Amino acid sequence: AQKVTQAQTEISVVEKEDVTLDCVYETRDTTYYLFWYKQPPSGELVFLIRRNSFDEQNEISGRYSWNFQKSTSSFNFTITASQVVDSAVYFCALSEAGRGSTLGRLYFGRGTQLTVWP
Amino acid sequence: DAGITQSPRYKITETGRQVTLMCHQTWSHSYMFWYRQDLGHGLRLIYYSAAADITDKGEVPDGYVVSRSKTENFPLTLESATRSQTSVYFCASLQGTDTQYFGPGTRLTVL
Repeated sequence: AQKVTQAQTEISVVEKEDVTLDCVYETRDTTYYLFWYKQPPSGELVFLIRRNSFDEQNEISGRYSWNFQKSTSSFNFTITASQVVDSAVYFCALSEAGRGSTLGRLYFGRGTQLTVWP
Repeated sequence: DAGITQSPRYKITETGRQVTLMCHQTWSHSYMFWYRQDLGHGLRLIYYSAAADITDKGEVPDGYVVSRSKTENFPLTLESATRSQTSVYFCASLQGTDTQYFGPGTRLTVL
């Protein structure tokens, strides 16, 4: 079973629209970390954010914001006023830190391809 | 410059040949990882290493071999390349529970 599910395979929006990328995760560990990475067309993986399981505060960084809800096992990512440069594949990932887990191992979702049209 | 590098960045090889992908990090991180990225699968873990001379299998280890004689290097070898190993390979490193940082990737094509 997938530990991280990104149900949206592709999303297309027009510039300046807001867009939310969904991420649902599954783990039995009480301590875990959630990540978002961006992969632009150039191919590298760019770290965006890391949250630990004990910190449910939402976070905002410029046009980016993240909504972490343990009750629904979700860690959604919103881009406000999207721009063409936001076009990329976005990956959500989970790292478990419980006993028996491989420290640092990332379980990735399959990614969401976001296309922002001018 | 400090960071994590991979070489080569692009490689074309033929079925049955041995190929080694190199990964080097300058942070002295304990943990290193190899992932492969395939369309529709996201990134999947091939092998990881918790320290020099300590390695273990990930989700898709078949057909791959790793070694870690030095903390900074973590080469991945395809002993006899197959077409199904055509992929983009990413190396990553991690210290403690901090964030995992990725190399630029190696695009491997097996003909």
